[in-house]
Amino acid sequence: QVQLQESGPGLVKPSETLSLTCTVSGGSISSYYWSWIRQSPGRGLEWIGYIYYSGSSNYNPSLKSRVTISLDTSKNQFSLKLTSVTAADTAVYYCARVPDLCSGGSCYRYFDYWGQGTLVTVSS
Amino acid sequence: EIVMTQSPATLSVSPGERATLSCRASQSVSSNLAWYQQKPGQAPRLLIYAASTRATGIPARFSGSGSGTEFTLTISSLQSEDFAVYYCQQYNNWPTWTFGQGTKVEIK
Repeated sequence: QVQLQESGPGLVKPSETLSLTCTVSGGSISSYYWSWIRQSPGRGLEWIGYIYYSGSSNYNPSLKSRVTISLDTSKNQFSLKLTSVTAADTAVYYCARVPDLCSGGSCYRYFDYWGQGTLVTVSS
Repeated sequence: EIVMTQSPATLSVSPGERATLSCRASQSVSSNLAWYQQKPGQAPRLLIYAASTRATGIPARFSGSGSGTEFTLTISSLQSEDFAVYYCQQYNNWPTWTFGQGTKVEIK
């Protein structure tokens, strides 16, 4: 059974960098997309970005200038860095898996496994 | 950006009754739509993908339908464990995703 677990500081000061790591167990990091999603009362569920096992990545345009997602295949981990945070970045952050699955001309890009989520508060 | 609009915001249903949740896309997403269930303090859980395909382990009382811009999630006979918030999500606009704002299914 695939499991994802987020880790990192729960409190970050304004203007600093939010850093989180997601550890994947029970399965390989290969042949999937690995994503970060956040959830807050004001913004609902918001996709942040993803990284493919090959290392290619893509980010939400609204966050692109501040986000970096990286991958460490040797540790079965991927990480999120969000710079210059403000109170608006306070949210529960989830990591999630996306299958690399296409069939009959359609590709299935849903989130099939999620971490439990970690609350990150931006406050001085 | 494709905007996903869910209705109603809250649905009050008695156990054993049918629940029908709607999701509308601002432009066609074909059948590239997923539904998730989220309970308090938990991550969302995949229920349906490709608009109508149940994910592994999802009970048959959950069904999805629709294509293009109009989608429906139906729970045929609500069980106590089904009271939760439900989200739709489009993945037609890959490589970006958008979620609906959610429908809360509460006990009547």
